Amino acid sequence: QVQLVESGGGVVQPGGSLRLSCAASGFAFSAYGMHWVRQAPGKGLEWVAFIRYDESNKYYADSVKGRFTISRDNSKNTLYLQMNSLRAEDTAVYYCARENGNVFQHWGQGTLVTVSS
Amino acid sequence: QSALTQPASVSGSPGQSITISCTGTSSDVGSYNLVSWFQQHPGKAPKLMIYEVTKRPSGVSNRFSGSKSGNTASLTISGLQAEDEADYYCCSYAGSTTFYVFGTGTKVTVL
Repeated sequence: QVQLVESGGGVVQPGGSLRLSCAASGFAFSAYGMHWVRQAPGKGLEWVAFIRYDESNKYYADSVKGRFTISRDNSKNTLYLQMNSLRAEDTAVYYCARENGNVFQHWGQGTLVTVSS
Repeated sequence: QSALTQPASVSGSPGQSITISCTGTSSDVGSYNLVSWFQQHPGKAPKLMIYEVTKRPSGVSNRFSGSKSGNTASLTISGLQAEDEADYYCCSYAGSTTFYVFGTGTKVTVL
């Protein structure tokens, strides 16, 4: 079955960097677009970024544009999110999600990023 | 891009039906039949319940149904059960600039 496992979260100081990973299994990873979605503590969901199956296009929310970079390694079945210049408002659980025709079809369990001094 | 507007909370007794609204604009909900609904239990990942306004993924109970009129989408849960108590979020595609926008979320309480 489809499995998505995020890792790489932790505590980082404002202005710092962190790289999240999402290990995929149970499906042909290289055939699907992938998203990152985040949820601040006690708040709603916010779409962060999307990458097409072949990395041909990448899209970002305005709130992270220029600071975050989405990428993937299809040979390792892994999705990444490089987060730079982190701010307190980036504190959230970060989920990876598999897309299927403009639908967030499957979600990982999330990894918590805390930006604090 | 502002979040789609949902009621903060909706409640109902077991067996009743409830409806959650999701109001957007002509740039998102009103322009695309790409509205999804997600259920989220505390501490868990969101789960897809409805996609493309009215479609249910395999394994999702037919007690869940979706609809849309103009800029407002709706999720109806019929025959409310204790296990339906959770947060619910709508989501709409919003074009190639904004991409996706989520709703503010609705807490469903089973009385």
